[in-house]
Amino acid sequence: QKEVEQNSGPLSVPEGAIASLNCTYSDRGSQSFFWYRQYSGKSPELIMFIYSNGDKEDGRFTAQLNKASQYVSLLIRDSQPSDSATYLCALVLNSGNTPLVFGKGTRLSVIA
Amino acid sequence: DGGITQSPKYLFRKEGQNVTLSCEQNLNHDAMYWYRQDPGQGLRLIYYSQIVNDFQKGDIAEGYSVSREKKESFPLTVTSAQKNPTAFYLCASSWGSDGNEQFFGPGTRLTVL
Repeated sequence: QKEVEQNSGPLSVPEGAIASLNCTYSDRGSQSFFWYRQYSGKSPELIMFIYSNGDKEDGRFTAQLNKASQYVSLLIRDSQPSDSATYLCALVLNSGNTPLVFGKGTRLSVIA
Repeated sequence: DGGITQSPKYLFRKEGQNVTLSCEQNLNHDAMYWYRQDPGQGLRLIYYSQIVNDFQKGDIAEGYSVSREKKESFPLTVTSAQKNPTAFYLCASSWGSDGNEQFFGPGTRLTVL
């Protein structure tokens, strides 16, 4: 099983809707989780990180972590065409002291 | 103005040539990383360094080499032994390699002619 799995998409949502991006992971002991946004031809930029079970909100973005079910999700409220990008999920394996492990990303398309 | 810089932005190489990609950071980060990204693919780790004069192989180190002589610099050499080097190369840095968020440079797009 791959360490970090994401649906490659594309995920298409209408403007103003909620976009829900999901990520599952195999290492039950993983502690730190990150969401990056990558526009086409550009480098990834960090959107949010979450360490504890539950929800973490930052503006239109909410990260949700459920360690028992081994998934982390990113919700984008009031989606805008400018949110159209690839969203990468990343985490630190339980072994620690290692670089982030990245999923392949989910491509989001927000339709005006 | 703090950040991570990579140069050049675009690089063209003939088969059989070695090329070196530059990565510099002024964030005072301890750890630096090199990733490769192919179209429609995720990030694959080439090499990383947690401290000056030390580095470790990532998942796809074959055909690449690095050095870390200074804290702020982590150049990557793509050697002729790398059979399919055309890709988007991303450098990143973080305070440490134990769970800290990584910040990325703008990337170098390498094309082998």
